[in-house]
Amino acid sequence: DVKVTQSSRYLVKRTGEKVFLECVQDMDHENMFWYRQDPGLGLRLIYFSYDVKMKEKGDIPEGYSVSREKKERFSLILESASTNQTSMYLCASSLIARAYEQYFGPGTRLTVT
Amino acid sequence: AQKVTQAQTEISVVEKEDVTLDCVYETRDTTYYLFWYKQPPSGELVFLIRRNSFDEQNEISGRYSWNFQKSTSSFNFTITASQVVDSAVYFCALSEAQGAQKLVFGQGTRLTINP
Repeated sequence: DVKVTQSSRYLVKRTGEKVFLECVQDMDHENMFWYRQDPGLGLRLIYFSYDVKMKEKGDIPEGYSVSREKKERFSLILESASTNQTSMYLCASSLIARAYEQYFGPGTRLTVT
Repeated sequence: AQKVTQAQTEISVVEKEDVTLDCVYETRDTTYYLFWYKQPPSGELVFLIRRNSFDEQNEISGRYSWNFQKSTSSFNFTITASQVVDSAVYFCALSEAQGAQKLVFGQGTRLTINP
């Protein structure tokens, strides 16, 4: 079974802190994705990566950056956390040939105070 | 641009009732995929179904069925004889069939099945 794990289920940070959200997948998937989920807005794509060191902006990249140094790991970085980044963050991965078949992690609920 | 609309924000029914979750989509692509995902309280999205735009045949899987109508750009999901375990947030999604194949999600419908 594909397994996508996220480093924390719950995280509380202060405004202005640098925040790292980590995602690891164990199925050698080329694609990895970061979404944020907000009530009434569904899931929105922040960034995705189709290879090591490659990244593309999604629909809402402002205030975020990403890092993919190894194929299995995709990090989402909040350079200076703000209260409007309080949200649920979901990571997903897929094969490049079946990019629509995404496997999701359990999510990290981030609260910025 | 692609767009998915789930107009029902929340639905609450009594156990054993049938319930239909609506999904309407917009796309200029001629080929695309449609999806339904379930998000139980644990938070992890669970894949339910994928439908290719060329295949308008309805699908049934146990108590779940899906009605894809290209003429109305709808992909509705029906749960027959609902159970408490069906309580979750359900998302409809759309992806292009070529290129990056990114998923575009609807807003989600929170379904509560009351005993």
